[in-house]
Amino acid sequence: EAGVAQSPRYKIIEKRQSVAFWCNPISGHATLYWYQQILGQGPKLLIQFQNNGVVDDSQLPKDRFSAERLKGVDSTLKIQPAKLEDSAVYLCASSHPGQHTGELFFGEGSRLTVL
Amino acid sequence: SQQGEEDPQALSIQEGENATMNCSYKTSINNLQWYRQNSGRGLVHLILIRSNEREKHSGRLRVTLDTSKKSSSLLITASRAADTASYFCATDAGGFKTIFGAGTRLFVKA
Repeated sequence: EAGVAQSPRYKIIEKRQSVAFWCNPISGHATLYWYQQILGQGPKLLIQFQNNGVVDDSQLPKDRFSAERLKGVDSTLKIQPAKLEDSAVYLCASSHPGQHTGELFFGEGSRLTVL
Repeated sequence: SQQGEEDPQALSIQEGENATMNCSYKTSINNLQWYRQNSGRGLVHLILIRSNEREKHSGRLRVTLDTSKKSSSLLITASRAADTASYFCATDAGGFKTIFGAGTRLFVKA
């Protein structure tokens, strides 16, 4: 079974530039999550999708961050314009709502450095 | 906001020793999970314990849950150098989203 795919793995940009991250979840997983993990901290949930719909985006900085999930499969997370404090690893995860284990499957992450 | 807090923040032990890390949380939960993260990688699920369970085992892992104290512990027995990683507890705040703590960084010396 293929895992969660993310790209790019690394991205370096200057502040005020824009960046986009892509995620392809495990086939059949209806729930998709984007987490932000700053160095030395735990992952912080940015947004959670159930199929096409947003379940929770309470901690997404909506003035600069946006996310969409096309056709309930792939997802893109965009930052525009980027700030220095956005330097972090952006983790995508997916889960199957019918799976009662509650287990999240994570991708390898996209590491963003803002200069 | 972080729901869970791990303790200690960092732990260094010798290979063969046991490693214990603790997690405290603030609100009622349905389940609690533990994940491992190797440096530069994504998180990997280790074990889930439900609120009506008190103890669970998986290989060299033992997890306990005390809902009256809102705390959990993860014990790794006979640790190996390959166990060097960060360990996170995660709770289902609100029943539909998974919130992670700040993690415990474990270093196992060969």
